[in-house]
Amino acid sequence: GIQVEQSPPDLILQEGANSTLRCNFSDSVNNLQWFHQNPWGQLINLFYIPSGTKQNGRLSATTVATERYSLLYISSSQTTDSGVYFCAVLGRGFKTIFGAGTRLFVKA
Amino acid sequence: EAGVTQSPTHLIKTRGQQATLRCSPISGHTSVYWYQQALGLGLQFLLWYDEGEERNRGNFPPRFSGRQFPNYSSELNVNALELEDSALYLCASSLEVRDTQYFGPGTRLTVL
Repeated sequence: GIQVEQSPPDLILQEGANSTLRCNFSDSVNNLQWFHQNPWGQLINLFYIPSGTKQNGRLSATTVATERYSLLYISSSQTTDSGVYFCAVLGRGFKTIFGAGTRLFVKA
Repeated sequence: EAGVTQSPTHLIKTRGQQATLRCSPISGHTSVYWYQQALGLGLQFLLWYDEGEERNRGNFPPRFSGRQFPNYSSELNVNALELEDSALYLCASSLEVRDTQYFGPGTRLTVL
């Protein structure tokens, strides 16, 4: 099946810093989503982005489907950005495969 | 518009018992998905229901089962509970399978 790898696994930032999270996938996919999981376990949709570039406030994402990767950019990070960021892809048989996540901690 | 809802929030069972978890999708969504998030194991796909039928399942034993009702709500049943079934169980829904999935708050199952 599809392999989904996220990097880095852990990231510590000072408030105000920028960061780039990466998601690599091993095969063609039907869609790709980015999520933020808050400390209470709720998964919050960030982007639905099977290809192209999208922006939402301080966050933006780019997926290059032909090269099988996606990037999530966080600018001017805030302490509330802390949590785990997951990418998830919809592969063959329409199974959703999640990456292991990037755990982000933003220091005040 | 109401989001995906799940009940109960917490569930405590003993080994060997059965657990039933419930999920109500966003109105108009026909696809419902179940995921298990066990400590240290990440998010694992469990089941996908669409239009009342099980369409796919992940690598879980048959004691994990469920169903989708005519109103598109869904139930996840876990029989013969084992300690390692302790996890956060997340439900999601989408308009159709390729669309954005929206997640509920989860049910935290503890097996003692």
